[in-house]
Amino acid sequence: QKEVEQDPGPLSVPEGAIVSLNCTYSNSAFQYFMWYRQYSRKGPELLMYTYSSGNKEDGRFTAQVDKSSKYISLFIRDSQPSDSATYLCAMRQGGSEKLVFGKGTKLTVNP
Amino acid sequence: ETGVTQTPRHLVMGMTNKKSLKCEQHLGHNAMYWYKQSAKKPLELMFVYSLEERVENNSVPSRFSPECPNSSHLFLHLHTLQPEDSALYLCASSQDRATVETQYFGPGTRLLVL
Repeated sequence: QKEVEQDPGPLSVPEGAIVSLNCTYSNSAFQYFMWYRQYSRKGPELLMYTYSSGNKEDGRFTAQVDKSSKYISLFIRDSQPSDSATYLCAMRQGGSEKLVFGKGTKLTVNP
Repeated sequence: ETGVTQTPRHLVMGMTNKKSLKCEQHLGHNAMYWYKQSAKKPLELMFVYSLEERVENNSVPSRFSPECPNSSHLFLHLHTLQPEDSALYLCASSQDRATVETQYFGPGTRLLVL
């Protein structure tokens, strides 16, 4: 079983839609959870960072972590064409600097 | 602009060639990283440098040889590569290893090995 599973998509939605991106993981020791956004021909950039369980909101973006289910989500409200990118989940254990990434989900928001 | 630059942006090389990838960060960070990003595969950490000292080598083949002459520059020397080494090679930096989540990535070098 892979440590982190992420559906690669592609996912195509109309502008204004609510987008839900998800990752599951197998290592219960993961404590830090990240979402990165990667535009075409660019490197990833950190979008959201959550420690342990719970929700975190930043503008149109909400990150959720459910450690009991080993499941993390990123919600994008009122999606915009500028949100079109590949979204990577990543996580790490406490005391380790090694990030384990998902494969990424490619999102297209159509105007 | 992320503050991390990489050159060249694209590289085509034969299996017998020797080439080098260069990364430079203008952020005053102390940790630098090399990642490999292949199609349909997760981002893979290759090497970690902290204060110019290599602290991690994730079972990377010896045909990849990193070099960190100072805290702002990182190189990846390539020799006798295989076609399966074709990928996007990303450099990143963070203030230190403990803040790896907030690392800044460069735009990457797209490498094609023929």
